[in-house]
Amino acid sequence: GESVGLHLPTLSVQEGDNSIINCAYSNSASDYFIWYKQESGKGPQFIIDIRSNMDKRQGQRVTVLLNKTVKHLSLQIAATQPGDSAVYFCAEVSGNTPLVFGKGTRLSVIA
Amino acid sequence: GAVVSQHPSRVICKSGTSVKIECRSLDFQATTMFWYRQFPKQSLMLMATSNEGSKATYEQGVEKDKFLINHASLTLSTLTVTSAHPEDSSFYICSGTGSVGYTFGSGTRLTVV
Repeated sequence: GESVGLHLPTLSVQEGDNSIINCAYSNSASDYFIWYKQESGKGPQFIIDIRSNMDKRQGQRVTVLLNKTVKHLSLQIAATQPGDSAVYFCAEVSGNTPLVFGKGTRLSVIA
Repeated sequence: GAVVSQHPSRVICKSGTSVKIECRSLDFQATTMFWYRQFPKQSLMLMATSNEGSKATYEQGVEKDKFLINHASLTLSTLTVTSAHPEDSSFYICSGTGSVGYTFGSGTRLTVV
């Protein structure tokens, strides 16, 4: 299930299940969105991106959905594995501005 | 793929001393380098943006005299935390961008004692 920790919401899923991580972004003018995975003590690792002229993009085991009407992004991970345990951040960009990161969600995979 | 090498990965320093963090883009030219700070269980917060050969632009609330940023070449940017205090203890991450999108360094864990 999903719970809110001290600062970071946590999503716990059983190994093999699908995970859905949600993100609300703030700038309706953002034209590029990226999902990052961050493991403890490491920098963010690119997972998948999507441009604002798309509403869905698929990668290997991951799918990103974009709903511009409600400014919502989601990351779907199929057949979640223990190695997927990490904190996931969405980030938005408008033009040449810096990435603005969302609050993040900790994904905990139960073996 | 594009790589940003960030050093050191961990540093412990005494209060009042200065620490320099380096980020090098290894196989691309980073025309812009972003510096982020991340406190435990929180997201990455942008500190400053530096373009090669120009003065850095700092976000509101970030002291430019305390966090000195140098971006003298297209492959090297440094962040110096001057007169460090325990409250500066954090995870610092750089991100270089050029023609290859955004590439992050592996981060520096700074602990000020």
